[in-house]
Amino acid sequence: DVKVTQSSRYLVKRTGEKVFLECVQDMDHENMFWYRQDPGLGLRLIYFSYDVKMKEKGDIPEGYSVSREKKERFSLILESASTNQTSMYLCASRTPDRDGTEAFFGQGTRLTVV
Amino acid sequence: GDSVTQMEGPVTLSEEACLTINCTYTATGYPSLFWYVQYPGEGLQLLLKATKADDKGSNKGFEATYRKETTSFHLEKGSVQVSDSAVYFCALEKNFNKFYFGSGTKLNVKP
Repeated sequence: DVKVTQSSRYLVKRTGEKVFLECVQDMDHENMFWYRQDPGLGLRLIYFSYDVKMKEKGDIPEGYSVSREKKERFSLILESASTNQTSMYLCASRTPDRDGTEAFFGQGTRLTVV
Repeated sequence: GDSVTQMEGPVTLSEEACLTINCTYTATGYPSLFWYVQYPGEGLQLLLKATKADDKGSNKGFEATYRKETTSFHLEKGSVQVSDSAVYFCALEKNFNKFYFGSGTKLNVKP
């Protein structure tokens, strides 16, 4: 089974802290994604990565950065956490395929910024 | 730009009722279409997909048909169970690129 593992299920951080969310996948997938999920807004793409050291901004990159030094790991960084970044964060990975390959998701990290 | 619109919830049904969750999309070209399901406390998992017009995706009694003429991909099930209670997301993907998700529809099934 494909496994996408996010390092924490729940996190509580203070305003202004630098926050790292880690995601690891074990299926050698080229693409990795970070989304945030908010009620009524669905999933919004923050950043995605085509391959190692390659990244592209999604729809809401402000206040976030990412790092992908190894193929299996994709980190989301909140440079200076703010209360409006309180959300559920979902990581996903996949290998792109002409037949529309599915994305596999981690269980999510619920981040609260106080 | 590309986008997905799905009906707002929550949808509340009794067990064994019929389900339809509407999904329409806007996209140029030929996207692939997906339905994902999120059970309480979990991440999203693929429910079904269709990659070209008139394809029907099916899984666990759920079905959806890719209708290019109406740009729709409605999710249907003939008889829902309590265990189907979850949030359902419609999504599209194109050119090996990023996914676009709808806002999600919460389904509550009562015994």
